[in-house]
Amino acid sequence: GQNIDQPTEMTATEGAIVQINCTYQTSGFNGLFWYQQHAGEAPTFLSYNVLDGLEEKGRFSSFLSRSKGYSYLLLKELQMKDSASYLCAVTDSNYQLIWGAGTKLIIKP
Amino acid sequence: IAGITQAPTSQILAAGRRMTLRCTQDMRHNAMYWYRQDLGLGLRLIHYSNTAGTTGKGEVPDGYSVSRANTDDFPLTLASAVPSQTSVYFCASSEIGAGSDYNEQFFGPGTRLTVL
Repeated sequence: GQNIDQPTEMTATEGAIVQINCTYQTSGFNGLFWYQQHAGEAPTFLSYNVLDGLEEKGRFSSFLSRSKGYSYLLLKELQMKDSASYLCAVTDSNYQLIWGAGTKLIIKP
Repeated sequence: IAGITQAPTSQILAAGRRMTLRCTQDMRHNAMYWYRQDLGLGLRLIHYSNTAGTTGKGEVPDGYSVSRANTDDFPLTLASAVPSQTSVYFCASSEIGAGSDYNEQFFGPGTRLTVL
């Protein structure tokens, strides 16, 4: 079967750095997405990785290792507005997105 | 209209009733999707459409039907609602459907449905 694992919940302090991990086992791999979802709102796109390595976009970075079936999202200089759920999704061999259950990130002052 | 709209925003429905959730996009995306999101389970694909006139079943299609008569609209119908269909429903679209490795999806605001 296809499976994407993320921690259910994480807590971090404002101004700090947090890393959210995602491991996947899917039928094929055609890219990995990270989305942000604030409570009661729709998911919004954060990043995309298809090759191994780090993609940096402002305070957010995403890393991919295809050989390990592993990705992480790194959030720097945390702000209160970063409190949200972070969803990892993998495009499988049928080009459908397979979604993880999401990691709820709680930021404390 | 900007992006994807869904209607209604929320609905309380009696079990056994028929309900259609509406979704319209103005981005001319060829692919559209319906997901349900339940606490602890993440997004689960119900049905999808790679292009107008075609539809496909996702992970949890039972009890739901869709149609794609044109590029912009992708309604989801519950023929006879049951309490297990209580969920938040998201419609999404993407510019490129199957056959492409880049499938960024854009989401509507969601419909919160309660079936009693």
